Amino acid sequence: ETGVTQSPTHLIKTRGQQVTLRCSSQSGHNTVSWYQQALGQGPQFIFQYYREEENGRGNFPPRFSGLQFPNYSSELNVNALELDDSALYLCASSLSPLGLGVSPTQYFGPGTRLTVL
Amino acid sequence: TQLLEQSPQFLSIQEGENLTVYCNSSSVFSSLQWYRQEPGEGPVLLVTVVTGGEVKKLKRLTFQFGDARKDSSLHITAAQPGDTGLYLCAGSSIQGAQKLVFGQGTRLTINP
Repeated sequence: ETGVTQSPTHLIKTRGQQVTLRCSSQSGHNTVSWYQQALGQGPQFIFQYYREEENGRGNFPPRFSGLQFPNYSSELNVNALELDDSALYLCASSLSPLGLGVSPTQYFGPGTRLTVL
Repeated sequence: TQLLEQSPQFLSIQEGENLTVYCNSSSVFSSLQWYRQEPGEGPVLLVTVVTGGEVKKLKRLTFQFGDARKDSSLHITAAQPGDTGLYLCAGSSIQGAQKLVFGQGTRLTINP
């Protein structure tokens, strides 16, 4: 069983640039969630994708966008980068049997450390 | 907006001591997870508690979910240097997206 992988590991960009982060979900999982973790803070929910559709979004501006592909891998795109976007970006995958009463366990990747200068 | 408050934010104790980390909210969660995160890595799930009043034990770690499913605690007995890390609680709701709401974390340091 392959765990959640993310690429790249580290990335340095300048303000105003665009960035794409990638995530491969754990084998058999159909849902991917993205989180932003600023230094010294807990992760904050950005959005979630289920079967290639956005399934909920946190309090992030539209310049944060995403995609999920038929193989359930996912991308996070951030346009017009700002200094405050510097953070660890975490991807988590899960198997969502919608309709059940308990949220499925989310398994996290190692994250991508983004630095905006 | 659902919020989780974790306390303390920082804790430094000697090896062999006991400690408790608290996670509190005014919101009800369908389940609550505890994660441990090492520097440069993603959070690793320790336990999920689902039922109000539930207690789960993982070796020297004891997790409790409050009766009203609004709060939780993590108790570590006879702490060891290997327990050092960032401990995060996260609540999940089945309303809307199955997102996790995280506390700000407790940075635990166990000194030999």
